[in-house]
Amino acid sequence: SQTIHQWPATLVQPVGSPLSLECTVEGTSNPNLYWYRQAAGRGLQLLFYSVGIGQISSEVPQNLSASRPQDRQFILSSKKLLLSDSGFYLCAWRRQGTDTQYFGPGTRLTVL
Amino acid sequence: AQSVTQLGSHVSVSEGALVLLRCNYSSSVPPYLFWYVQYPNQGLQLLLKYTTGATLVKGINGFEAEFKKSETSFHLTKPSAQMSDAAEYFCAVTLNTNAGKSTFGDGTTLTVKP
Repeated sequence: SQTIHQWPATLVQPVGSPLSLECTVEGTSNPNLYWYRQAAGRGLQLLFYSVGIGQISSEVPQNLSASRPQDRQFILSSKKLLLSDSGFYLCAWRRQGTDTQYFGPGTRLTVL
Repeated sequence: AQSVTQLGSHVSVSEGALVLLRCNYSSSVPPYLFWYVQYPNQGLQLLLKYTTGATLVKGINGFEAEFKKSETSFHLTKPSAQMSDAAEYFCAVTLNTNAGKSTFGDGTTLTVKP
């Protein structure tokens, strides 16, 4: 069966510090991968998606970047965090050619 | 382009009462429609989905939803609410493309009163 991991689970960072959130998927190959941000009381906003290694599409201009160095690894980064980067970050995967995304447990980021 | 509107950011029902969470969508192509549930500080769990075929779909935990193309709706229902149903619910529409991008509604928080 497939599983998706995210870490860390929670993170508190000062403004201006760097960020690295990691997502890995087990039990499948060449998945589509997605990063979402969920602000308090809001729905999910798609930040990035990837259909293959090194292929990243950005959905909204922002202070964040994403990379996919390995087939089942998706990293969300920032060089300098802003207060507005606070939120709940969710990674998801989807087997290519199918219809359903499956979500990881999320990372709660607080920027102070 | 696609969009999702969930009517009512908060819904409160009594235990044993009918649950109705509303979702309307717009899509330029035939959509795939989903309902997810989220418990506090957790990821999203798939409740049910509609892709093709039967318009009434059944999901986990006794939930079901009906795709109504003429009304562009995909409302979620459960005949009898349980305390464990208290959570946030998200409706989503996904394009049937290689990227498979999804658009989510803002969510509805369901409260179940004893």
